[in-house]
Order: sequence, then C-alpha cells, then structure tokens
Amino acid sequence: QVQLVQSGAEVKKPGASVKVSCKASGYTFTNYAIHWVRQAPGQRLEWMGRINAGHGNTEYSQNFQGRVTISRDTSASTAYMELSSLRSEDTAVYYCARSPYSGNYYGYFDYWGQGTLVTVSS
Amino acid sequence: DIVMTQSPDSLAVSLGERATINCKSSQSILDSSNNKNYVAWYQQRPGQPPKLLIYWASTRESGVPDRFSGSGSGTDFTLTISSLQAEDVAVYFCQQYYSSPRTFGQGTKLEIK
Repeated sequence: QVQLVQSGAEVKKPGASVKVSCKASGYTFTNYAIHWVRQAPGQRLEWMGRINAGHGNTEYSQNFQGRVTISRDTSASTAYMELSSLRSEDTAVYYCARSPYSGNYYGYFDYWGQGTLVTVSS
Repeated sequence: DIVMTQSPDSLAVSLGERATINCKSSQSILDSSNNKNYVAWYQQRPGQPPKLLIYWASTRESGVPDRFSGSGSGTDFTLTISSLQAEDVAVYFCQQYYSSPRTFGQGTKLEIK
C-alpha cells in the first residue's frame, strides 16, 4: 500500500532553518511528484512547491520568496523540504503529498503524509 | 493566483440528510482542450491529513463511498453527501490544480445537527 511517512516534530528558533523528510513506499517513487503543503492554525491549506521525483525539476510558490528548497533522494525514495529564515508565522503542520504527472501537468494529491508540526518560538 | 471560495463556512445536517458544499473559483478552471475541470475535493478529520474524495470535479476516488459526489464546471462546483453518516463529520476543502500556485478553499466544517 502507498505510504508517505514524514519525520518528527521540530522546534526551531526564529531565523533558523528546518528540513522535513517524506519517505515513500508502496509505489515507484520516480513515477510521481511530491508536493509540500502547510496548514497553519486557523489558516487555509497553503501549497509551497513540488518536485518531479523522476526528473528532479522543482516549482515553488512565490509566497515563500526563495526561502523553500525541495529535493529528493531517489535511492532512498525520500523527498525533503527545507524552509529557511523561520519566523513565528511559519508555525504550522507541514504535509507532503503525492500527485500524478504527465509532461508539464501535475495533478491532484492522492496520498498525503501524516504531517510534521514545526513550531517556531524564541 | 486563483482564489477558491467555499460556502458555507460551517454546516450542520441531520443524520441521513443531504449536505451540500459549494466552491467558487476566481477564474475558470475548465480546460477547453480536454473538457476537464481541474478541481478536487478533500476530507480532513480532526488530527488527520486531508484525504482525496473527488478529482476532475466529479470523479470519485477509489474506495470513497458513493454517497459522495461532485459536480459543476467553469467556476462553480459542488460537493454533495447524499445521506450524512456520523463518520462524515470533518472539514471539507476544494482545491484547484489548473495552475500554480495550487490553491485551496478556506474549508467547510460539517457537523451533525
């Protein structure tokens, strides 16, 4: 069965960086894309970016102004999301999610990780 | 960015009754080249990640009960639960995957009356 298992909760100070992992199993990792979505308290789900796990190309939301980097390790079937220059407003649950892709089309999110709580506090 | 606006924000429905949630996009998310609407619906129970229910506006994901259905085209979409069950208590989100950034509705909280 398809599973996306994320790394554990993190507590970071303002200005620091955090790197969250998402290990995939139950399918061919390189045949899908991995997206990162966050959910801050009281806010709507916010898409951060995605990586084509096969080709490695990435796309990011302009809302993060270059603070987010998404990467993958195909040998480990794992995707990573690193967010830098953390501030209190980045406190949220961060999810990875899988989508099908074909050419430049990236679809809906059919499987999600369990979520990783990142708390930014001095 | 495409803004997705759901209505209502919260909804209380009796068990066995119909629940209807609406979602409006700020621009059309219908691709005329393939006649597909790039909208999905998700269910999120407390403490859980979102779960895909519907994609292409009306295609039910495998394993999703047939009481869940999606409809609409262009800018106006609807998720309908034909006969509410206790396990349907959750927050429901619409999402467009027509363009980047992918955007979500603000969510509709569904409760039992």
